[in-house]
Amino acid sequence: GAVVSQHPSWVICKSGTSVKIECRSLDFQATTMFWYRQFPKQSLMLMATSNEGSKATYEQGVEKDKFLINHASLTLSTLTVTSAHPEDSSFYICSAPGVPGEAFFGQGTRLTVV
Amino acid sequence: GQNIDQPTEMTATEGAIVQINCTYQTSGFNGLFWYQQHAGEAPTFLSYNVLDGLEEKGRFSSFLSRSKGYSYLLLKELQMKDSASYLCAVPSGGSYIPTFGRGTSLIVHP
Repeated sequence: GAVVSQHPSWVICKSGTSVKIECRSLDFQATTMFWYRQFPKQSLMLMATSNEGSKATYEQGVEKDKFLINHASLTLSTLTVTSAHPEDSSFYICSAPGVPGEAFFGQGTRLTVV
Repeated sequence: GQNIDQPTEMTATEGAIVQINCTYQTSGFNGLFWYQQHAGEAPTFLSYNVLDGLEEKGRFSSFLSRSKGYSYLLLKELQMKDSASYLCAVPSGGSYIPTFGRGTSLIVHP
């Protein structure tokens, strides 16, 4: 099946700094990538949808200036958490849609802001 | 929008059968997903139902009733490694973007 590689798997950063998370589709071209966030014991919440060559679509309540999404190529989408704060500590995960009915997830990134 | 409801937690014994229910309300239906997620890991696709009925895949089966807005995931011959969170997800109307329920945490004990 299709593989989405997400890096880093975990990161610890200081409050106020920025963190970039990358998702690469290794054996297929992903024109769309979904970015989710999951707090402990909570569901995956869709943050935004990135589209290659165009602006990302953000879900209601997600600050687009804080969570910068770039989808510069058909194999790479990035999420940058700018000026991170402890409340941004979460599990971030990307997924690329396959044929209808399947989603290919990255491994996820555990972000801890101290 | 969607409203997805599933039990928060279930426990079962190794070797037993467990059924995890999911009810949903959605404007427009494009199928229902089940995913397995171990703690700290990405979800793993289990099944996708778009038509009514039962689909069997090894030890896991998934059932859908569109008229009742209801699905269940059936796990047979439970193993310890089946301890995980099971997520029911329904795409929003007109799209295939999964919207996830809170997940059911399944604990399998000896």
